[in-house]
Amino acid sequence: NAGVTQTPKFQVLKTGQSMTLQCAQDMNHEYMSWYRQDPGMGLRLIHYSVGAGITDQGEVPNGYNVSRSTTEDFPLRLLSAAPSQTSVYFCASSWDREGMNTGELFFGEGSRLTVL
Amino acid sequence: EDKVVQSPLSLVVHEGDTVTLNCSYEVTNFRSLLWYKQEKKAPTFLFMLTSSGIEKKSGRLSSILDKKELSSILNITATQTGDSAIYLCAVEALEGGYQKVTFGIGTKLQVIP
Repeated sequence: NAGVTQTPKFQVLKTGQSMTLQCAQDMNHEYMSWYRQDPGMGLRLIHYSVGAGITDQGEVPNGYNVSRSTTEDFPLRLLSAAPSQTSVYFCASSWDREGMNTGELFFGEGSRLTVL
Repeated sequence: EDKVVQSPLSLVVHEGDTVTLNCSYEVTNFRSLLWYKQEKKAPTFLFMLTSSGIEKKSGRLSSILDKKELSSILNITATQTGDSAIYLCAVEALEGGYQKVTFGIGTKLQVIP
C-alpha cells in the first residue's frame, strides 16, 4: 500500500517556466488537497478536490491550476513559475467520516520547489 | 477567516521533561481539532478531538479539547530525543458543505539529551 505518492521530490525552475507536480493515492480517498509550507507561515491550502471532476480554491490559489479526472490523481500545475512559489508542496488525501471528508489527512512526502 | 494559533513557537527541553503545547482557534462550523507531528518530511497524524474534556492518549502523548475556551493542549511526558519535531495543530471546519482544514504555524520542539 503506497499511500500518497508525490513526484518529483526536488525541482529547480527558472522564472516563467511551467511544471506539474504529480500526486497519486491508492486508498480510494475522495478528498485530495495541495498545501504549501513556508517558514513562519505553516501549511496553507492551495486547492482541494472532493471527488473526480470537482475542484475548488483554497487560501492561496493564485498561480496554480488543478484538475481531478480520476479518484487517484490530483496534479498541481504551475503555469508561469515565480520566485514567490519557492516552497515545499504537500499533497494530502482523506477518507469519509459520517458522509463527509475527515480532517485526518494522509500526506505525501513533499516536493521541494525552487524558482530562480 | 479561520485562525489557529499555537504557542510556544519553539521549545527546548531535556530528556525526561514533560511539555505542554497549546493551540487556540477561531473557526466557524467547527468539526474537529487535529494534532500532527512533522519530523523531516510529511506531517503524520496524532490525534483527532471532537468532544470537550475527553482525553485522547497514545503512549506518552495525550491531548484534550476545551470547546468553551476554543483551545487544546498536547502533553508529552518523559520526553525523548525522538520527540524532537514540529507539532502542528489544525482545525477542521465545514465550509460550503465541504471540509476545510486550517493549520497553525506549529511548535518546534527540541529535546536534548
